[in-house]
Amino acid sequence: DAKTTQPPSMDCAEGRAANLPCNHSTISGNEYVYWYRQIHSQGPQYIIHGLKNNETNEMASLIITEDRKSSTLILPHATLRDTAVYYCIVRFPNTGNQFYFGTGTSLTVIP
Amino acid sequence: NAGVTQTPKFQVLKTGQSMTLQCAQDMNHNSMYWYRQDPGMGLRLIYYSASEGTTDKGEVPNGYNVSRLNKREFSLRLESAAPSQTSVYFCASNRGPNTEAFFGQGTRLTVV
Repeated sequence: DAKTTQPPSMDCAEGRAANLPCNHSTISGNEYVYWYRQIHSQGPQYIIHGLKNNETNEMASLIITEDRKSSTLILPHATLRDTAVYYCIVRFPNTGNQFYFGTGTSLTVIP
Repeated sequence: NAGVTQTPKFQVLKTGQSMTLQCAQDMNHNSMYWYRQDPGMGLRLIYYSASEGTTDKGEVPNGYNVSRLNKREFSLRLESAAPSQTSVYFCASNRGPNTEAFFGQGTRLTVV
């Protein structure tokens, strides 16, 4: 059973905002939502994480719904270098400190 | 700024051979992890070490052993390699609960 659900692929025009959704309907307690990306099979790169409030950093914004059952990663001005697989990760109760990855969303930024 | 360093970067083994993948981090992190990634798939957790002196199984531990040698180093051992263990292996570390993890650049292992 999947812990998170993401669309397998998405396209985005260069310069436009990329909005990547993630469902985590069984999230509970004080579990954080993390986003990572992986470019060309390199090691995954941390993007952002949050608990309840929306978060923003130099790379992206994270919008978490009020019930915390879904979230959206926003890349405000996508560039060709943002083409990557994006992983939404939620750590569930009693799973310790591990990160469990799903299959992610393959984002292609189109010139 | 080394971060997480994995060695070797590439390795070819024959079925039945053994080898150890090395991982070291210089960020004074408490927790370390080993993942594998098969083509077209996400990362799957093999083993993790929440703190020095402890190790626990992840999703796919069969065929592997680990050693948390000290706070910096976490090794992954394949005692008798099988073709099904052909994969890219990633090591990661983080400071503790609710902190981001940093990943190494991977070890590409082929078992023939």
